[in-house]
Amino acid sequence: EVQLVESGGGLVQPGGSLRLSCAASGFTFSTYWMHWVRQAPGKGLVWVSRINSDGSSTTYADSVKGRFTVSRDNAKNTLFLQMNSLGAEDTAVYYCARGEVTRSSWFFDLWGRGTLVTVSS
Amino acid sequence: DIQMTQSPPSLSASVGDRVTITCRASQSISSNLNWYQQKPGKAPKLLIYVASSLQSGVPSSFSGSGSGTDFTLTISSLQPEDFATYYCQQSHSTPYTFGPGTKLEI
Repeated sequence: EVQLVESGGGLVQPGGSLRLSCAASGFTFSTYWMHWVRQAPGKGLVWVSRINSDGSSTTYADSVKGRFTVSRDNAKNTLFLQMNSLGAEDTAVYYCARGEVTRSSWFFDLWGRGTLVTVSS
Repeated sequence: DIQMTQSPPSLSASVGDRVTITCRASQSISSNLNWYQQKPGKAPKLLIYVASSLQSGVPSSFSGSGSGTDFTLTISSLQPEDFATYYCQQSHSTPYTFGPGTKLEI
């Protein structure tokens, strides 16, 4: 089955760190760019970061730049998001999503179910 | 960053109705516009990509149009399972911003 499954969320204190994982299956993970998108409780979707297929290029939203690091292990079909210096504003469900491209235009055609990160003392 | 707006923020409709949701970008994004559907507690689901291409498995009652700065998502005949929140997203440049969403209610 083609799927993405996130894990690693939980409760963390302000200023703390957390590492999210996204396990991919059913498709050739190493050929796809991957993204992280988050959604604060009751709010809309916010794009967080992306990584190219071999992990050599990454991009971040300004709100997480310098604090979050996206990486991947293609041998293990897994995407990661290392989150440091967490604040209350980072509380959200974090989704990983597969990037697909056609006619030079990107879209996210496969999403995981998400993992909840709560930053609170 | 490219800002995305949607109207209306919420919409009440009935089964069988035809509804249109509008999305506007703060600058031209060509056809780099996608639409997603999200139901409570679930992940977003891709409906339309590159402004007007229907994702595989999505009912043909959904359609998208537009280019440049103005886009629309149309549902030709609402079904009970269509009541959800709809988001547009630009993929013209990073950050790939989403619209604030349109909640479609019965």
